[in-house]
Amino acid sequence: DAKTTQPNSMESNEEEPVHLPCNHSTISGTDYIHWYRQLPSQGPEYVIHGLTSNVNNRMASLAIAEDRKSSTLILHRATLRDAAVYYCILSHRDDKIIFGKGTRLHILP
Amino acid sequence: DAMVIQNPRYQVTQFGKPVTLSCSQTLNHNVMYWYQQKSSQAPKLLFHYYDKDFNNEADTPDNFQSRRPNTSFCFLDIRSPGLGDAAMYLCATSRVSGGGSDTQYFGPGTRLTVL
Repeated sequence: DAKTTQPNSMESNEEEPVHLPCNHSTISGTDYIHWYRQLPSQGPEYVIHGLTSNVNNRMASLAIAEDRKSSTLILHRATLRDAAVYYCILSHRDDKIIFGKGTRLHILP
Repeated sequence: DAMVIQNPRYQVTQFGKPVTLSCSQTLNHNVMYWYQQKSSQAPKLLFHYYDKDFNNEADTPDNFQSRRPNTSFCFLDIRSPGLGDAAMYLCATSRVSGGGSDTQYFGPGTRLTVL
């Protein structure tokens, strides 16, 4: 399984942007980059995914490096409700997703 | 709203007493998954169904079994729960394969306590 590396934890102030990094130096050409998050006492939820180009949706933006060996999840304006564990996952076609340890994001009021 | 439903949200069982956890979905997705998540750890895939085809992870203990009687429902059976099986059990679905560009939809989980 392709591996990802994320910081164990990060802190950010409320109403400020948050940049969550992910390294995936062994990514293959057909691996999609997915981000999920897990709020306390809830199941994981999908945030965003991409292949090569940067992606935006109502929850976040995904910036993918040109060589695809790293990516950054961007929360444009963090709220207290964004405090969660964020998982960066590589997903190959017809393959299941494997969760790594993720980054625990703390939001300071 | 279409969703993944897990019942019950909290389940208490006794050591060695069989227990069944339930999952249903209104998304009409082909694939259903069961994950185990222990405290402060990432979810760990136990097995998944692609339609009726069962796919077991290599390191899933034999104590864990699953049934999928139809598209909407999937069950996790723990034949003889041990103290180490206390965890959150998560059910998820995906439309096609769960890989590539497909995304997974998770239920809220069932927290299992073993006494």
